[in-house]
Amino acid sequence: GAGVSQTPSNKVTEKGKYVELRCDPISGHTALYWYRQSLGQGPEFLIYFQGTGAADDSGLPNDRFFAVRPEGSVSTLKIQRTERGDSAVYLCASSSQANTEAFFGQGTRLTVV
Amino acid sequence: AQSVTQLGSHVSVSEGALVLLRCNYSSSVPPYLFWYVQYPNQGLQLLLKYTTGATLVKGINGFEAEFKKSETSFHLTKPSAHMSDAAEYFCAVSSISSGSARQLTFGSGTQLTVLP
Repeated sequence: GAGVSQTPSNKVTEKGKYVELRCDPISGHTALYWYRQSLGQGPEFLIYFQGTGAADDSGLPNDRFFAVRPEGSVSTLKIQRTERGDSAVYLCASSSQANTEAFFGQGTRLTVV
Repeated sequence: AQSVTQLGSHVSVSEGALVLLRCNYSSSVPPYLFWYVQYPNQGLQLLLKYTTGATLVKGINGFEAEFKKSETSFHLTKPSAHMSDAAEYFCAVSSISSGSARQLTFGSGTQLTVLP
């Protein structure tokens, strides 16, 4: 595709529910990143994929957060038992290689009520 | 460990005036430094980056930044502000993480307002 696409653009869910956020990277990009941007803050690193494998998941805040990229393209960020503190904009980025410019999607705004 | 401090969460300038957005970083290894811009309801867009070489870096839309190692700074400037420059600007530092992934550490952002 022309750019990184994230769906949905907005998601409202009830506390305790499970949510999935999807990221379609730029075609051919092997590196994929997830970031979380809380209100008034800069994005914070969550996880990085190189191909299908998670090369660095040190930013995931706890075991309620999980991400997959089974075919090395589309990635899904999964959040179990959502909490109000999970409310944020979740950003996805991709790059052609690990050390080249990352292109960001518009983000998914998650609101937990 | 690395960190970024952006001085001033909000900056207002008049149209045509100089834009100066401040960024200081902390990094235990030689840093790669970036400025991103975020327009409302849009993703982050790379303005410019410093990796190695020339310390004065020119980016898109007339912006430039200078890497000053002695001051651990990477301030963003533009000689003459335009109304379309109104946005949020993020400074970021990058280094190789333990997983050989180049992750970005962002500052908290500076909201730029351009007054007519």
